[in-house]
Amino acid sequence: QKEVEQNSGPLSVPEGAIASLNCTYSDRGSQSFFWYRQYSGKSPELIMFIYSNGDKEDGRFTAQLNKASQYVSLLIRDSQPSDSATYLCAVNPNYQLIWGAGTKLIIKP
Amino acid sequence: ETGVTQTPRHLVMGMTNKKSLKCEQHLGHNAMYWYKQSAKKPLELMFVYSLEERVENNSVPSRFSPECPNSSHLFLHLHTLQPEDSALYLCASSQEQGTGGSGELFFGEGSRLTVL
Repeated sequence: QKEVEQNSGPLSVPEGAIASLNCTYSDRGSQSFFWYRQYSGKSPELIMFIYSNGDKEDGRFTAQLNKASQYVSLLIRDSQPSDSATYLCAVNPNYQLIWGAGTKLIIKP
Repeated sequence: ETGVTQTPRHLVMGMTNKKSLKCEQHLGHNAMYWYKQSAKKPLELMFVYSLEERVENNSVPSRFSPECPNSSHLFLHLHTLQPEDSALYLCASSQEQGTGGSGELFFGEGSRLTVL
């Protein structure tokens, strides 16, 4: 069965530090990888996607993909209290997304 | 105005009731989805309408019935639900290219369902 694994957390990070969120997946044929952010009581919103091995940067966010090791990570630099949310990893091996259960991130002022 | 709107936002129903959830997308997308979100569990895909075809998760009970009259509207009809069906039901839309899912979904705010 295709799976996406994330540490449920909560991951507590001081304001201004780097938050590192990790995700592993089981299907080696996976082609595209997504990070969604979900604030409490809100719906998920896409913040990053990555298709190729290596890093992809967008502002304070960097997605890292290592297909050989089957993991994808999200780094948040200069963490802000507004980054406190649950981060969902999703993987697209064929047509439909396979989702992780999410990591709850808490940024402490 | 959000791109994907869901109504009602909250619904409480008994096990013998029949109700419907409604979703409308204003983004011009060609695919719409129903997801179930339960605490500490991955999003569960229930139904997809994409490029005029319906794809469903075979594990979804028949007490959930989708309807997609056009590319902008999606319904989830509920009947004879069980307490374990209590969850957040999320509608989403995306623009598919026909070669596979893009993964770029736009979600509505969700309908919080409680079954008594």
